[in-house]
Amino acid sequence: DAGVTQSPTHLIKTRGQQVTLRCSPKSGHDTVSWYQQALGQGPQFIFQYYEEEERQRGNFPDRFSGHQFPNYSSELNVNALLLGDSALYLCASSHGTSGRRVGETQYFGPGTRLLVL
Amino acid sequence: GENVEQHPSTLSVQEGDSAVIKCTYSDSASNYFPWYKQELGKGPQLIIDIRSNVGEKKDQRIAVTLNKTAKHFSLHITETQPEDSAVYFCAASRETGFQKLVFGTGTRLLVSP
Repeated sequence: DAGVTQSPTHLIKTRGQQVTLRCSPKSGHDTVSWYQQALGQGPQFIFQYYEEEERQRGNFPDRFSGHQFPNYSSELNVNALLLGDSALYLCASSHGTSGRRVGETQYFGPGTRLLVL
Repeated sequence: GENVEQHPSTLSVQEGDSAVIKCTYSDSASNYFPWYKQELGKGPQLIIDIRSNVGEKKDQRIAVTLNKTAKHFSLHITETQPEDSAVYFCAASRETGFQKLVFGTGTRLLVSP
């Protein structure tokens, strides 16, 4: 059973450029969350997608946007890159139980390391 | 918003010793507390979690305790081994609804042979 996969593994961009990161959730999972992890810090929640809609959002500017596809995979887009966007971007998937969403464990992928020069 | 504090930031122990990592949280509505282990170059891996209806949970050498009144929870690793060396993160969230995990700043654990 494949876990959460992310692509690419590493990426180098320059300031002002745009980037798209991709995530495939664990088999059977329908919810994808994205986190940003700066060096030496804990992951920070960016947003969460379920049924192709953004359900929750953290304190990130509108330059960060996302999408979820019918097969539950997801993309994270960052526009107008800043040096401070350099980080490890983590995708986590979870599975909503029917009806109430209770006690969902989030499983993380290996991340995409983005370097902005 | 929710804030999670984690201590210590680094912890060095000898193989076979116990290690304890402590976290406090601010949102009294939080009721789900997972712990993740992150090795170099990898994503966080869930090692244990606890929900607010229990005070303690154990899985072999790993245990987690929760004190909801004081709003703190701890990870206990017994009989540490060199392969336990990694960065450990605590997190907190509300269990119902769409979960947003709020992470602590991490503890770098080094187990020396």
